[in-house]
Amino acid sequence: DTGVSQDPRHKITKRGQNVTFRCDPISEHNRLYWYRQTLGQGPEFLTYFQNEAQLEKSRLLSDRFSAERPKGSFSTLEIQRTEQGDSAMYLCASSLAYGLAGNTGELFFGEGSRLTVL
Amino acid sequence: TQLLEQSPQFLSIQEGENLTVYCNSSSVFSSLQWYRQEPGEGPVLLVTVVTGGEVKKLKRLTFQFGDARKDSSLHITAAQPGDTGLYLCAGPLFGNEKLTFGTGTRLTIIP
Repeated sequence: DTGVSQDPRHKITKRGQNVTFRCDPISEHNRLYWYRQTLGQGPEFLTYFQNEAQLEKSRLLSDRFSAERPKGSFSTLEIQRTEQGDSAMYLCASSLAYGLAGNTGELFFGEGSRLTVL
Repeated sequence: TQLLEQSPQFLSIQEGENLTVYCNSSSVFSSLQWYRQEPGEGPVLLVTVVTGGEVKKLKRLTFQFGDARKDSSLHITAAQPGDTGLYLCAGPLFGNEKLTFGTGTRLTIIP
């Protein structure tokens, strides 16, 4: 399987605990994105990387959220001191850089990691 | 404030009927993409439109990009239960490469 994979698929945690999600993108993709989605809504941008560089981080993202892509391959998204409002689906996507080889920025999504904070 | 507003938010119609979903913005997009998402899954790309006024067809689905690149529509002919899902438009704003998603349209086709 050469698609985007995310782990874990589901995570239930108690308020105040830390959680970490992992994303393995399509191997030849240099862009990696994290989005958050609540039920019935469109995905909300969190952050994205080109290779190992974090190019943009949403102003909506509190300091409790941090993402890394240390070797330009897989990425992790950590949420510290979780709150009930963090409950959502966390989606990872990868792509080629916009304009590279005629690419128009199509994203390939993983199946998501669903977080429930009790 | 959402940059991409979709309408309607919810749509439930009988199998065989036609429908149109709209995606509107006050901002210009260099391209527009449409995705479909099923419960528990990530969005899957249906089509990308790039040129203002462009029309693309994917079997019973017709996608159009507005002349001014600020809006798009998705028209489904003779809807089938398999068309059920959350439809999302998305695009990169000029000068910004990240993909911004619309508010979504949840479509239910009743057999």
